[in-house]
Amino acid sequence: GAVVSQHPSWVICKSGTSVKIECRSLDFQATTMFWYRQFPKQSLMLMATSNEGSKATYEQGVEKDKFLINHASLTLSTLTVTSAHPEDSSFYICSATSGRGGTQYFGPGTRLLVL
Amino acid sequence: AQRVTQPEKLLSVFKGAPVELKCNYSYSGSPELFWYVQYSRQRLQLLLRHISRESIKGFTADLNKGETSFHLKKPFAQEEDSAMYYCALSAGGSGGYQKVTFGIGTKLQVIP
Repeated sequence: GAVVSQHPSWVICKSGTSVKIECRSLDFQATTMFWYRQFPKQSLMLMATSNEGSKATYEQGVEKDKFLINHASLTLSTLTVTSAHPEDSSFYICSATSGRGGTQYFGPGTRLLVL
Repeated sequence: AQRVTQPEKLLSVFKGAPVELKCNYSYSGSPELFWYVQYSRQRLQLLLRHISRESIKGFTADLNKGETSFHLKKPFAQEEDSAMYYCALSAGGSGGYQKVTFGIGTKLQVIP
């Protein structure tokens, strides 16, 4: 149980386009979902926390207009990278938890390459 | 502010030797501490959390509030333990949401 999926697993896009990444909890209701960014050989950097039905809470330094997060249901959160640029190329990982202070279940990640 | 420090980026041990992956944290309240592991080409997954006081795959971790540490230990390393290990702290952030902070990670390399 407790499986989290991400789609797509990888995406290549042109600079200036927008990219949407989906994160789904397949067999549980995720009250909270997290979005991370991971650079090569570095740790995960928390970008934002989203609770179902409310606005996401962004970490300092993360542009909310650049990285749009929607958590419309208890099983789906989306991250949209708007007007992507090469510096947005990274590995984006989502995780979900079903309760406050609970274990996070991670998705497999989405590799984004912006040309 | 909450912070998690993993002082070693790489730890190499021989098979059968004891392992200790260090983790120190800073947080003024009562946090929840976790160890996550990422094996090669796999997603991050929970190894253990301090409140469950379990031993998973032979690993244990004790929360020491006095030293603000949550070191991960295993008495005899095995080759399949080679992976990236992340210490994480979860605590209530402002506005009532759960804030999670990860350490930089320690790569454990078990030498046959």
